[in-house]
Amino acid sequence: DGGITQSPKYLFRKEGQNVTLSCEQNLNHDAMYWYRQDPGQGLRLIYYSQIVNDFQKGDIAEGYSVSREKKESFPLTVTSAQKNPTAFYLCASSGFSYNSPLHFGNGTRLTVT
Amino acid sequence: AQSVTQLGSHVSVSEGALVLLRCNYSSSVPPYLFWYVQYPNQGLQLLLKYTSAATLVKGINGFEAEFKKSETSFHLTKPSAHMSDAAEYFCAVTANTNAGKSTFGDGTTLTVKP
Repeated sequence: DGGITQSPKYLFRKEGQNVTLSCEQNLNHDAMYWYRQDPGQGLRLIYYSQIVNDFQKGDIAEGYSVSREKKESFPLTVTSAQKNPTAFYLCASSGFSYNSPLHFGNGTRLTVT
Repeated sequence: AQSVTQLGSHVSVSEGALVLLRCNYSSSVPPYLFWYVQYPNQGLQLLLKYTSAATLVKGINGFEAEFKKSETSFHLTKPSAHMSDAAEYFCAVTANTNAGKSTFGDGTTLTVKP
């Protein structure tokens, strides 16, 4: 079955360390997204990519970085510059048309202590 | 610019009762509207979407939503709640002026009482 795979499901890191979250899709979607979810705050867009080798900042990109070297993969690095990294991170993909819904992975819960 | 407001962060209904989750949107151009559901520690799943073909949209699990342009609303309803409907629900808006990016509401947690 086609879908989005995020790994790992739970991730623990010490403050000051960079950490990379994996996101792979086999839906042949052009666009991929990273969202951050905090309780009571809905989903906030971190980065998105509409084509390989190109990506744009979302609403809360500071302290994060991404790459899009392959259509199927869109890893997110949470750097030590991110002041409050503990959160639930969701990766999504969609077709290229504006009325295409988002398909989500099952998320990675990152805890930084 | 586009935005979504979900009225009521928590809604509680009895099993078998009507479910009504409210969503109002703002968009400078005709919007595409979506409802998603999220179960604990999982990603979001699409319930239904409005793309201008019909104002009453039917989705999965017996849910439906009606697009009302005059009220800028897209409320989600289900005639009879089931225990398995307990989850968090998100309304989202996308418009072609925003490069296809979706803006989400803050979510509504639905509790179903036996």
